[in-house]
Amino acid sequence: GQNIDQPTEMTATEGAIVQINCTYQTSGFNGLFWYQQHAGEAPTFLSYNVLDGLEEKGRFSSFLSRSKGYSYLLLKELQMKDSASYLCAFMDSNYQLIWGAGTKLIIKP
Amino acid sequence: GAVVSQHPSWVICKSGTSVKIECRSLDFQATTMFWYRQFPKQSLMLMATSNEGSKATYEQGVEKDKFLINHASLTLSTLTVTSAHPEDSSFYICSARVLAGDFYEQYFGPGTRLTVT
Repeated sequence: GQNIDQPTEMTATEGAIVQINCTYQTSGFNGLFWYQQHAGEAPTFLSYNVLDGLEEKGRFSSFLSRSKGYSYLLLKELQMKDSASYLCAFMDSNYQLIWGAGTKLIIKP
Repeated sequence: GAVVSQHPSWVICKSGTSVKIECRSLDFQATTMFWYRQFPKQSLMLMATSNEGSKATYEQGVEKDKFLINHASLTLSTLTVTSAHPEDSSFYICSARVLAGDFYEQYFGPGTRLTVT
């Protein structure tokens, strides 16, 4: 079967670093996506990993280990505007996204 | 990145009426679009996959006669909620899948907030 899991909620301090983990199980895999969703808005694309390793984009980095079925999103130099839900999703063998429930990130001053 | 628009952004309708939501890819052609529904504090729930020129594929539990999907062109898909009821009140989001190099990216419209009274 397929499943994907990420923490429900995390809290971090402005200026700090936070890592949001995501684990998944699937027989067919065509990449791992991270999206950011602010309350009341649609998701926006953050990153994509299809090979093992770390992809860095400014303050955000995403890591993938296919053998472990594991990914994380790393956010550095946290800003208040980073308060949002972060959605992990993998693309299955039919090129369809399978979504995690999302991690609500709360940033405190 | 690619831009997807949705119209209307919010709508209030009376119970028993029908509502049409449009999803357009503005600067690219999308053979495949997806319709999602999201209730407060919950994740996205895929309702159906819309393929240009063919019938939509509905997820289990989604009534195809209630949620009519038409993908008449490579830039437009519509979702019509027929005989709406208060329990249909939700945030409806469309997205379009684009082949970018060696992989697919999925871009989302801004969403439509439907309130049925």
